[in-house]
Amino acid sequence: LAKTTQPISMDSYEGQEVNITCSHNNIATNDYITWYQQFPSQGPRFIIQGYKTKVTNEVASLFIPADRKSSTLSLPRVSLSDTAVYYCLVGDRNGFQKLVFGTGTRLLVSP
Amino acid sequence: GAVVSQHPSRVICKSGTSVKIECRSLDFQATTMFWYRQFPKQSLMLMATSNEGSKATYEQGVEKDKFLINHASLTLSTLTVTSAHPEDSSFYICSASPLNRTRNNEQFFGPGTRLTVL
Repeated sequence: LAKTTQPISMDSYEGQEVNITCSHNNIATNDYITWYQQFPSQGPRFIIQGYKTKVTNEVASLFIPADRKSSTLSLPRVSLSDTAVYYCLVGDRNGFQKLVFGTGTRLLVSP
Repeated sequence: GAVVSQHPSRVICKSGTSVKIECRSLDFQATTMFWYRQFPKQSLMLMATSNEGSKATYEQGVEKDKFLINHASLTLSTLTVTSAHPEDSSFYICSASPLNRTRNNEQFFGPGTRLTVL
């Protein structure tokens, strides 16, 4: 399983765009990149998943360069409720694979 | 859709007792469920992979005789912490992979169970 590296923490203000980058130098050809969000005392929640280039949904965008050795989660116009821990995970597209969580990035959004 | 529940949400027990935590997929079937443990300010740590109808696969360092896992149906997995001690106090989270996935390696997480051992 490819290991991921993220900044431990980030600070932002309401209304700003937040970009969280994750490094996964050993990503394999079959691996997808998935981001989860976790609030205190809750289970993680799926945010977005991608394989290459750019993926966008109603809450975030995911940018993946051609070499796929990193990815960037972009949260547009964050609010206080986006304060959470964000995890980047890399896993095989096939089967029921276990997820290995890294340290995650603790995002604090201030007024 | 795709809701996973856990029961109880929090439990306090005395040292030496056993505690059972249930994980249910409410609106889908899951061949595979996973159990995680999370200590304060730390990441989730995978404890074991639970497959319906077969023995669970434990991660290195996790005692299978202490953390008993049963996955008797496609919607229910249980984790029993036997002879609990204060160091077992943690946040236990389960996840379930649906049989009919819409995303790659899709897992849905439960809300977690806070275990406090006195």
